[in-house]
This record gives sequence, structure tokens and C-alpha cells, in this order.
Amino acid sequence: AQKITQTQPGMFVQEKEAVTLDCTYDTSDPSYGLFWYKQPSSGEMIFLIYQGSYDQQNATEGRYSLNFQKARKSANLVISASQLGDSAMYFCGLTMDSSYKLIFGSGTRLLVRP
Amino acid sequence: GAVVSQHPSWVICKSGTSVKIECRSLDFQATTMFWYRQFPKQSLMLMATSNEGSKATYEQGVEKDKFLINHASLTLSTLTVTSAHPEDSSFYICSAGTGPYNEQFFGPGTRLTVL
Repeated sequence: AQKITQTQPGMFVQEKEAVTLDCTYDTSDPSYGLFWYKQPSSGEMIFLIYQGSYDQQNATEGRYSLNFQKARKSANLVISASQLGDSAMYFCGLTMDSSYKLIFGSGTRLLVRP
Repeated sequence: GAVVSQHPSWVICKSGTSVKIECRSLDFQATTMFWYRQFPKQSLMLMATSNEGSKATYEQGVEKDKFLINHASLTLSTLTVTSAHPEDSSFYICSAGTGPYNEQFFGPGTRLTVL
């Protein structure tokens, strides 16, 4: 069975510093996708970044990058130059080849300190 | 990116009544939509996959007679919470996508409170 694990319920980071949010996954499908979404207090889900299982390079989107280590089954999100507006819940998600279904980890609450 | 809307954004109802939540893809056609449920300070739990023109596929532990899903067109899926009870109070979010390796677009969510 597929599974997504986020072991950090909460993280603090100083404004302008970088932070890494951990995510590990488990799936037997050879083809899968990994996603990160941000959920501010308003509740909306904001797409941040995507990594495919066959992608050779780590995905990057502006200040977001995904540290993909396939052998370790980890897909950590790195946020560089943190901003106060980055304070939110962050969810790691997994889709498999067999379906569109996107399942999420338990989330990490990030608080950026001024 | 594509836009998914939900209506209503919040609803308060009495115990025993039914509530319908609509999810619309505004600028693309979605053959597949998903319904999630989120309790406070918890993650999004996938409830069901809504397939246009066919029956929904429910996740284990989700009562299909309690949570009725209809996907009547390529742009509309509805979730009806039947005979709602206070324990059904939650944040319900829908999403739509165009493939397993593409971004899923989420609606803004519906906050349901059952008194």
C-alpha cells in the first residue's frame, strides 16, 4: 500500500533563512508523482512543486526546490529565503501510475519568525 | 492555472438534514474529480473519486450511502451529506486534474457545521 510520511508536525525558521520540510513515501508503483502543496489559514490549497519518479533532475520553482532521493524514497521541500507569508501548513502528496488519486501526508506547520 | 469553484463556501444545518456541495471546473473539463475531508489541524483525507458518467469510487471506511456523489457533467460534481450529524462537521474540499502527473486544482473548500 502507498503511504506518505511527514515527521515534522511543526517547524520554525527565521525570516530570510532556508528551511527543509521532510517527506518520505512508500509505493510499489515504478511510476509515480510527488507534489507539495501549501495551505494557509484561509484553507485554500496552493500548488508549489512537482517531481516525477523518472525525472533525472530535482524540480525547482522559484524559491522552492525538491530534494528528490529516489533510493531513500524521500522528497524533501526546500524553501529558500523564507518570507513571513510562507507561514502555513505544507502537505506532501503522492500519485501513482494506476490512478489520479492524490494522497497526502499529515502535514508540517511552518512558522516564519521576523 | 485552472480554476475550480465550490458552493457554498460555508453552511450551517440542523442535525438530520441533507446538505449538497457543488464543485465546478470553470475553464477545463474534468472527467475525474476528488472529494476530501479535513478536520481541524489534520491532513486532507481522500473520501472518494468522482467519475463523470459512472459511479464514484469510495475510499475504505467512507459510507457511500452517507456521502452521495454525482458527477453529471464534465464540469460539475456534487457531494451530498445525507442525514448530517454533528460528527460530519468538517471542511470539505474538491479537486480536479487532467492526469496523475499533473497538478490537481483545488476548490476553495466548504466548511460544514451541523448543529
